[in-house]
Amino acid sequence: QKEVEQNSGPLSVPEGAIASLNCTYSDRGSQSFFWYRQYSGKSPELIMSIYSNGDKEDGRFTAQLNKASQYVSLLIRDSQPSDSATYLCAVNIQGAQKLVFGQGTRLTINP
Amino acid sequence: KAGVTQTPRYLIKTRGQQVTLSCSPISGHRSVSWYQQTPGQGLQFLFEYFSETQRNKGNFPGRFSGRQFSNSRSEMNVSTLELGDSALYLCASSLEVRGIGEAFFGQGTRLTVV
Repeated sequence: QKEVEQNSGPLSVPEGAIASLNCTYSDRGSQSFFWYRQYSGKSPELIMSIYSNGDKEDGRFTAQLNKASQYVSLLIRDSQPSDSATYLCAVNIQGAQKLVFGQGTRLTINP
Repeated sequence: KAGVTQTPRYLIKTRGQQVTLSCSPISGHRSVSWYQQTPGQGLQFLFEYFSETQRNKGNFPGRFSGRQFSNSRSEMNVSTLELGDSALYLCASSLEVRGIGEAFFGQGTRLTVV
């Protein structure tokens, strides 16, 4: 079992709709959870961090964390074509000075 | 505030050569991590440094090494390059003292081994 798993996609969503990206992780000791956006040919850009159970909202982005289910999600409301990118889920395991990344989900927003 | 700076941006090397990549973290950040990104393997952790000490190392051969200087700048070195080392090498810096908090990436160094 991979430490961090994401559906690779591609996920295709119409413009203006809600895009839902999911991530599961295997280590119950995981403490910190992050979502990165990576455009083709560019480096990953941090868009959300979440540390406790529940929802965290920032503009059009909402991160959701459920530690009991070992599940993290990212919702993008009012999706725009500029949201088309690969979204990477990253997890920091307690005591380990590293981030473990999922393979990424490729998201395409269709005008 | 300047972001994470990596140099060079692009490199072409021949098999068997060695290469050194440089990373300057965000001012005030003392944690620097290195990752290798390839289409097949995704983002793989190489190593992390904090205050000149390596705190964690990924599952890479000994040909991959790194160091951090007193000003938090970091370098990674790959010796005896192999074709499979062709990848995007990313550096990330973090303010966190314990563990890894929010990490910010540089633009990366794209290494091509021919």
